[in-house]
Amino acid sequence: AQSVTQLDSQVPVFEEAPVELRCNYSSSVSVYLFWYVQYPNQGLQLLLKYLSGSTLVKGINGFEAEFNKSQTSFHLRKPSVHISDTAEYFCAVTKDYGQNFVFGPGTRLSVLP
Amino acid sequence: EAQVTQNPRYLITVTGKKLTVTCSQNMNHEYMSWYRQDPGLGLRQIYYSMNVEVTDKGDVPEGYKVSRKEKRNFPLILESPSPNQTSLYFCASSLSGIKDTGELFFGEGSRLTVL
Repeated sequence: AQSVTQLDSQVPVFEEAPVELRCNYSSSVSVYLFWYVQYPNQGLQLLLKYLSGSTLVKGINGFEAEFNKSQTSFHLRKPSVHISDTAEYFCAVTKDYGQNFVFGPGTRLSVLP
Repeated sequence: EAQVTQNPRYLITVTGKKLTVTCSQNMNHEYMSWYRQDPGLGLRQIYYSMNVEVTDKGDVPEGYKVSRKEKRNFPLILESPSPNQTSLYFCASSLSGIKDTGELFFGEGSRLTVL
């Protein structure tokens, strides 16, 4: 069975500072990895995904993530955050396309002025 | 506009009173799924459906039923709701199969309170 760990439940950061949200997963098979973002009172939307190929993937709104197979990690980064990035971020894995997603508990990013 | 639509968005009910949360998608997706979101637990899958008339249990199916009679609709049924089913519910869909990019499309959520 797969599982996802997001060690930081809350991350406060000042505007224009860099941020890294951590995600580690466990799985006995190859997986596909995703980051979703949930803005207040909204559903989740896809930020970026790793399916194959380059381990550095770029997503929307200036976010990027790096897949590290040896460390079973998929950390999310942004070099300079904006107030509008305040949201909850979920890491997710699936071993089969679009099915049986397993989500992490989420990290609440608060960007302070 | 491509979307997943859930209704109702907000509902307060009492223990034991049957309710249905509807979910409809207009993207011709084969795969649909229900999740509940609880603080500190992230999203947990309740049921999913690979196609019409094909449904399977997720991680937390107890107390819920689903049906998939049409491709576009995937209602979630609580036959006898209990307070521990108070949660935020999300429906999601995905194209599925070899064409799938793996992205789930989510509805806006249904906040259910069971008293």
